[in-house]
Amino acid sequence: DAGVIQSPRHEVTEMGQEVTLRCKPISGHNSLFWYRQTMMRGLELLIYFNNNVPIDDSGMPEDRFSAKMPNASFSTLKIQPSEPRDSAVYFCASSRPPETQYFGPGTRLLVL
Amino acid sequence: AQSVTQLDSQVPVFEEAPVELRCNYSSSVSVYLFWYVQYPNQGLQLLLKYLSGSTLVKGINGFEAEFNKSQTSFHLRKPSVHISDTAEYFCAVSFSGGYNKLIFGAGTRLAVHP
Repeated sequence: DAGVIQSPRHEVTEMGQEVTLRCKPISGHNSLFWYRQTMMRGLELLIYFNNNVPIDDSGMPEDRFSAKMPNASFSTLKIQPSEPRDSAVYFCASSRPPETQYFGPGTRLLVL
Repeated sequence: AQSVTQLDSQVPVFEEAPVELRCNYSSSVSVYLFWYVQYPNQGLQLLLKYLSGSTLVKGINGFEAEFNKSQTSFHLRKPSVHISDTAEYFCAVSFSGGYNKLIFGAGTRLAVHP
């Protein structure tokens, strides 16, 4: 079975540009999570979807961040406009509760 | 509030030596406990988990952990480490009855030296 797939793996953009990160969860998993990892703050949960519905978005840093899950096999995390402090590794994870979360390889974002 | 504390930010060790990475949590409800490993430039991979039953849990790559409810700990151990074990290790907790939201510790960087 394929794992969680994320694209792009690396993204370099300029401040003010829109950034879209993509995630394909493992087939059959009905929970999807977006995390951000930085040296300063470690791993932070940004948003959690269950059955394509956002359940907990308390970790989304501000209105510049938005996430969607239009169907069970695809989710996006969008940053508009991007800022240098958004530079981080963004992970997507999926699970079938209460089982383990499986993580994707991450997207390394650098905002110049 | 629930939290996870990894007591050591870095642990240097020589190859073939034993190692213990410490993890403590605080929670007023029952928990599930996890250890994940992150190799450089990769995502997180599950090492082992405790959901219920035996408090000694065995995982991949020769790692094991013991759940100690009275001490609210879930320390990770390996009797003999290899160079390839060099990585960042994260302890995490989720709460039974919840939606398996994970609370992560800050991580411990294990550096295995020849």
